[in-house]
Amino acid sequence: NAGVTQTPKFQVLKTGQSMTLQCAQDMNHEYMSWYRQDPGMGLRLIHYSVGAGITDQGEVPNGYNVSRSTTEDFPLRLLSAAPSQTSVYFCASSYESGTGELFFGEGSRLTVL
Amino acid sequence: RKEVEQDPGPFNVPEGATVAFNCTYSNSASQSFFWYRQDCRKEPKLLMSVYSSGNEDGRFTAQLNRASQYISLLIRDSKLSDSATYLCVAFLHGNNRLAFGKGNQVVVIP
Repeated sequence: NAGVTQTPKFQVLKTGQSMTLQCAQDMNHEYMSWYRQDPGMGLRLIHYSVGAGITDQGEVPNGYNVSRSTTEDFPLRLLSAAPSQTSVYFCASSYESGTGELFFGEGSRLTVL
Repeated sequence: RKEVEQDPGPFNVPEGATVAFNCTYSNSASQSFFWYRQDCRKEPKLLMSVYSSGNEDGRFTAQLNRASQYISLLIRDSKLSDSATYLCVAFLHGNNRLAFGKGNQVVVIP
């Protein structure tokens, strides 16, 4: 049982490049979400999904897209990377929407030059 | 005003001592509360839920004060392994979102 798996763990991009952060969970969780964590800012919700085919915006959605074609996968796409998107990104899932027990992936450290 | 506010610290605690810290939340309709632990450069992990009646898990005790809109975490007999950042989390049913505080950094000193 792997839990929540994120790839890649580290990535360096140039401004304007696009990329996808992958997230997969094997716990059959309906709820999945993406957070970014910046020094002094805490965890901020980017997008979330309450089930396959359903996504919604969080606090800081601009510059990011998501899709949820299967229960297991919830990729995060950066459309045109900017230095302000340098951050640590966490994918998290839970059995149902809003329960406190979120299971987090190990994080993806992204640097945009 | 931030939804969840915490004093980031650091809280320097001698090994074996007790440390306590609070977290305030702004939305009185918040219905569920949690403490998460995050080690340096690691992902957050659920430490404990916070119930209205208060709850205890070993050396950790969590309390909720709805009247004053704060929750607290107390760590007794601090261990070196307790050094981490403790994140306060509030959930408002209906908007599908957990609000995280910035965390209380605890450093246990030998």
